[in-house]
Amino acid sequence: AQTVTQSQPEMSVQEAETVTLSCTYDTSENNYYLFWYKQPPSRQMILVIRQEAYKQQNATENRFSVNFQKAAKSFSLKISDSQLGDTAMYFCAFMKHVVEYGNKLVFGAGTILRVKS
Amino acid sequence: GAVVSQHPSWVICKSGTSVKIECRSLDFQATTMFWYRQFPKQSLMLMATSNEGSKATYEQGVEKDKFLINHASLTLSTLTVTSAHPEDSSFYICSARDDVTAPKYNEQFFGPGTRLTVL
Repeated sequence: AQTVTQSQPEMSVQEAETVTLSCTYDTSENNYYLFWYKQPPSRQMILVIRQEAYKQQNATENRFSVNFQKAAKSFSLKISDSQLGDTAMYFCAFMKHVVEYGNKLVFGAGTILRVKS
Repeated sequence: GAVVSQHPSWVICKSGTSVKIECRSLDFQATTMFWYRQFPKQSLMLMATSNEGSKATYEQGVEKDKFLINHASLTLSTLTVTSAHPEDSSFYICSARDDVTAPKYNEQFFGPGTRLTVL
């Protein structure tokens, strides 16, 4: 079974600064997807960034980027130029790469990020 | 695109009654939908995988007779909490896979959630 670990329950960052959220996972699969989801106070889950395990290049989406270390099974999220709207709970998630319906997401426990002005 | 709605957004009911929560994919077809439960400041716990036209697959420890799931069309899945009790109070979230894009991107699109309070 796959597990996802987020070891930072809460973090805070000053507006405009950079913060990195940690995530490690355990799997015996070789092909899989990794995701970072954001859940703001509205509680709507929003996809932040996606990484496919077979791609060596780290994914980036504007101010969000990941450091994907496949051998170390590490998938950290870096948020640059933090904004007040980035305040949210962030979940790291794993999904097996299987071409079938019903692929499940396995979530980490989450990290609450607070951006301070 | 890829919008998922849930109805109602919140509901309060008396202990012993049943409550139905709807999850709709508004602009795409979803053979597969997922139901999650989330407690305050905690992660999402997968309850079941809902498949159109067939029985749902429940996660270990989830009572299928208590949490009835019906996925009657490619755009609608319902979760019915039967004989609700205060311990069933929680935030319920659904997600859906776009049949067209999922094989490539494997993304799930989430609904806004339903807050259930059982008195």
